Amino acid sequence: GENVEQHPSTLSVQEGDSAVIKCTYSDSASNYFPWYKQELGKRPQLIIDIRSNVGEKKDQRIAVTLNKTAKHFSLHITETQPEDSAVYFCAAQFGNEKLTFGTGTRLTIIP
Amino acid sequence: DTEVTQTPKHLVMGMTNKKSLKCEQHMGHRAMYWYKQKAKKPPELMFVYSYEKLSINESVPSRFSPECPNSSLLNLHLHALQPEDSALYLCASSYVYGGSGSYEQYFGPGTRLTVT
Repeated sequence: GENVEQHPSTLSVQEGDSAVIKCTYSDSASNYFPWYKQELGKRPQLIIDIRSNVGEKKDQRIAVTLNKTAKHFSLHITETQPEDSAVYFCAAQFGNEKLTFGTGTRLTIIP
Repeated sequence: DTEVTQTPKHLVMGMTNKKSLKCEQHMGHRAMYWYKQKAKKPPELMFVYSYEKLSINESVPSRFSPECPNSSLLNLHLHALQPEDSALYLCASSYVYGGSGSYEQYFGPGTRLTVT
């Protein structure tokens, strides 16, 4: 089955700086890679996703890059703000097979 | 309506009780999911329903019994749970996989379950 590794487990950045979270996956058949943000006590919410036929996708301050050859994808958040503090999960999926989550990154934005 | 709702928000039950968790969506999604999430861990898939039929059971103990009575509703029946089953139970829904690939899963707010 699919295995997704996520690093780092915790990340603290100064407000206004950039944050980068990295994930690797094991199943080359995976073709859908969402990123979820989960605030304390809340539901996971999709912030951005990318499909295997695309190398990069951007939405305002958030961007995701995918390297299919290396089986590696990353989340980039620029101009970080206090409300970006949360736990971020990457995930990988093929079809309607299991959505496999990474272990999560706790991001703290320091004012 | 782009929301998945879950009831109850909180549930405390004894090990001999029988209770049910409910999930509802009106987005026309035909795939629905149950996840279990322990503190500081990612969501862990339990069951997947596709077109109201169980398509994935991640070897979940029989004390958890899912049910999908129609395309908008998903239930999780609980019986004889153990304290280690205490967790946040999340429901999610999505469109069914098609030729263009997988679709976003929308999560409900979850039910915080405590087994005493």
